[in-house]
Amino acid sequence: DIQMTQSPSSLSASVGDRVTITCRASQSISSYLNWYQQKPGKAPKLLIYAASSLQSGVPSRFSGSGSGTDFTLTISSLQPEDFATYYCQQSYSTFTFGPGTKVDIK
Amino acid sequence: EVQLVQSGAEVKKPGESLRISCKGSGYSFTSYWISWVRQMPGKGLEWMGRIDPSDSYTNYSPSFQGHVTISADKSISTAYLQWSSLKASDTAMYYCARQAGLNYYYYMDVWGKGTTVTVSS
Repeated sequence: DIQMTQSPSSLSASVGDRVTITCRASQSISSYLNWYQQKPGKAPKLLIYAASSLQSGVPSRFSGSGSGTDFTLTISSLQPEDFATYYCQQSYSTFTFGPGTKVDIK
Repeated sequence: EVQLVQSGAEVKKPGESLRISCKGSGYSFTSYWISWVRQMPGKGLEWMGRIDPSDSYTNYSPSFQGHVTISADKSISTAYLQWSSLKASDTAMYYCARQAGLNYYYYMDVWGKGTTVTVSS
């Protein structure tokens, strides 16, 4: 099984901050990596697929990069609606989610 | 509008059976796999398994293989997640999600709102 880790597990940030979340796979997964956002009481929402492709309708302040085992999700200027938990997910071998990174207000 | 509509909240006793549903609309149901994802209270997302509604072929996570059954009825565009004997540890929110993409670049682009399952004596 492919294991996914994320760091940090949580972070506090202010509106306007640049935020970076890291995801690491236990083996190379090429670019088979997706990012989701989940707000409390809501279903997850797809943000980024194939490591760096922005899902339709997602603001351009979200971006993804990386390949192999190391990936990042960047929010260029944090907005109030971005406070949420973010999950990475590999699709190289069925699916595995990372443990999540909670972004809250500083 | 493309959507997945899940069945309502369930409260069950340990040992009881249960089947929850996920109905797709607004797209060709047999053209996209459906996955099920568990979220235990206050915890992260766990992929349970998926089904190809066109032929009912399934994949399961090793963590869930043998504990749940995923099925589908393409005639009514509905996927199911089933337990034969519930445990208290099955208490969770369960989401269905549509799998899109090509050539292993798969992702879950449409999600149901979730079904809460509570198992308590």
